[in-house]
Amino acid sequence: AQTVTQSQPEMSVQEAETVTLSCTYDTSENNYYLFWYKQPPSRQMILVIRQEAYKQQNATENRFSVNFQKAAKSFSLKISDSQLGDTAMYFCAFQGGKLIFGQGTELSVKP
Amino acid sequence: DGGITQSPKYLFRKEGQNVTLSCEQNLNHDAMYWYRQDPGQGLRLIYYSQIVNDFQKGDIAEGYSVSREKKESFPLTVTSAQKNPTAFYLCASSMGVGTDTQYFGPGTRLTVL
Repeated sequence: AQTVTQSQPEMSVQEAETVTLSCTYDTSENNYYLFWYKQPPSRQMILVIRQEAYKQQNATENRFSVNFQKAAKSFSLKISDSQLGDTAMYFCAFQGGKLIFGQGTELSVKP
Repeated sequence: DGGITQSPKYLFRKEGQNVTLSCEQNLNHDAMYWYRQDPGQGLRLIYYSQIVNDFQKGDIAEGYSVSREKKESFPLTVTSAQKNPTAFYLCASSMGVGTDTQYFGPGTRLTVL
């Protein structure tokens, strides 16, 4: 069975600095997708970034980028130039069929 | 404006009552999903539907029921058999089931009094 682990329950960062959120997963599949979702205080789940496992190039969306290490089954999210609006719960998710979520990392951006 | 809507935003239920949560999408997606979120936890899949008039149980289907009579709509009924229904419920949709990206609605907070 696939599992997703986020080992950092809480993190904080100063505004304008860079922060990295960790995620590891376990699977025997070769073709799958990985996601980072953001859940702000409104609790709406918002897609941040998506990575296809067959692509070696790391996905990037503006200030958000990932470090995808397929052999190590690691999928970290880097947020550059952190903004107050980035304060949220961040979920890593694995999809090889069903979408499986990690427990989440609560990120606080401090002014 | 394309998207997923859920209603109501907040719902209160007395013990022993069934309640129905609404989920509508105008994205022309074939697949729809219901998830439950408890404090400090990730999302857990309740039910999903790949196509109209078809749906499958997820990991925690006991005490819940769904229907899919229209492509746009996937209502979830929380029955009195659900022992601990107080939670945040999220609906999602995607083009298909498998590896297509899921997009989420704003959620419904259900509280049992």
